[in-house]
Amino acid sequence: SQTIHQWPATLVQPVGSPLSLECTVEGTSNPNLYWYRQAAGRGLQLLFYSVGIGQISSEVPQNLSASRPQDRQFILSSKKLLLSDSGFYLCAWETGGETQYFGPGTRLLVL
Amino acid sequence: GESVGLHLPTLSVQEGDNSIINCAYSNSASDYFIWYKQESGKGPQFIIDIRSNMDKRQGQRVTVLLNKTVKHLSLQIAATQPGDSAVYFCAENDSGAGSYQLTFGKGTKLSVIP
Repeated sequence: SQTIHQWPATLVQPVGSPLSLECTVEGTSNPNLYWYRQAAGRGLQLLFYSVGIGQISSEVPQNLSASRPQDRQFILSSKKLLLSDSGFYLCAWETGGETQYFGPGTRLLVL
Repeated sequence: GESVGLHLPTLSVQEGDNSIINCAYSNSASDYFIWYKQESGKGPQFIIDIRSNMDKRQGQRVTVLLNKTVKHLSLQIAATQPGDSAVYFCAENDSGAGSYQLTFGKGTKLSVIP
């Protein structure tokens, strides 16, 4: 069966520091991968999606970036975090079946 | 733009009663719908989905109803249990647009009273 992992689970970072969040998927090949941010009490905001290695589409201009170095690995990065980057970051995968399956999420607090 | 929303932001039900969570969508071209359950501090969990060629689909203790005429989606949970307490949100997709990107509602918080 397919599983999706995210780490770290929680992260507290100072403003201006770099960020690297990792997402990996097991049990499937060539998935479409997504990064979302969920602010408290709000819906899911799509940040990036990828249909293949090295292919990244950005939905929202911001100081975040994404990379997909391997088929089942998706990384969310920032060179300098802002206070407004705090939130719950979710990775999701799907294989053309429209249903997206989410990881456990990473809670990021920027101080 | 097109959006998916919810009628009720919060819902409290007695344990053992049935729960009904509603969702309105505005994109008449949407042809695929999903309900997710999100417990506090966790990622959303897939519950059930339905395509626009269906009006009703049943799972284990859950039923999704789709009314395309009024663009309304509902999730019914039978014999609600304390473990059902969570935020529930719907998502929709217009597969004809050539994208698998989902549009998500903001969610309804379900609280089960023991």
